[in-house]
Amino acid sequence: AQKITQTQPGMFVQEKEAVTLDCTYDTSDPSYGLFWYKQPSSGEMIFLIYQGSYDQQNATEGRYSLNFQKARKSANLVISASQLGDSAMYFCAMRDVMNYGGSQGNLIFGKGTKLSVKP
Amino acid sequence: GAVVSQHPSWVICKSGTSVKIECRSLDFQATTMFWYRQFPKQSLMLMATSNEGSKATYEQGVEKDKFLINHASLTLSTLTVTSAHPEDSSFYICSAYDRGSNQPQHFGDGTRLSIL
Repeated sequence: AQKITQTQPGMFVQEKEAVTLDCTYDTSDPSYGLFWYKQPSSGEMIFLIYQGSYDQQNATEGRYSLNFQKARKSANLVISASQLGDSAMYFCAMRDVMNYGGSQGNLIFGKGTKLSVKP
Repeated sequence: GAVVSQHPSWVICKSGTSVKIECRSLDFQATTMFWYRQFPKQSLMLMATSNEGSKATYEQGVEKDKFLINHASLTLSTLTVTSAHPEDSSFYICSAYDRGSNQPQHFGDGTRLSIL
């Protein structure tokens, strides 16, 4: 069965510093996608970054980058130059690539990491 | 701008009332929509998968007769919480995407349901 593990319930980072949020995953499927979402206190889920299992390079989106280590089954999120507005819950998630094994493509979420940025 | 619209964002109602939540994809055809439930300080739990034109697939432990899902078009899915009770109070959030793509799922803004 697929599983996402986020071992850091809470993290603190000083404003303008970088922070790494850990995520490990477990799957027997060769094709999958890894996602990171941000959930502010208002509740909406904001898509941050995506990494496909066959992507050769680590994904980057502005201040977000994904440190993808396939052999270790880890997909850590790196936020550079933290801002106060980055304070939120961060969820790592995984999805089967469609048409493999009959998956419907739903996301499996980790338990999340609450990031607090200090001024 | 938002690509998935969820309405209402906040509901307070009496026990025994049925509540309908709408999830609309605004600028793409969502062949698949998902309904999640989130308790405070917890992760999202998948309740059901809604495919356009067919019956929803419910996760184990989710009552089909309690949480009615309809996905009548490629842009709209509804979740009806029937005869809601205080234990149904939660944050409900939908997501949508085009099945077969590698695009991220886009989420609605969620509905906070409080049953008195």
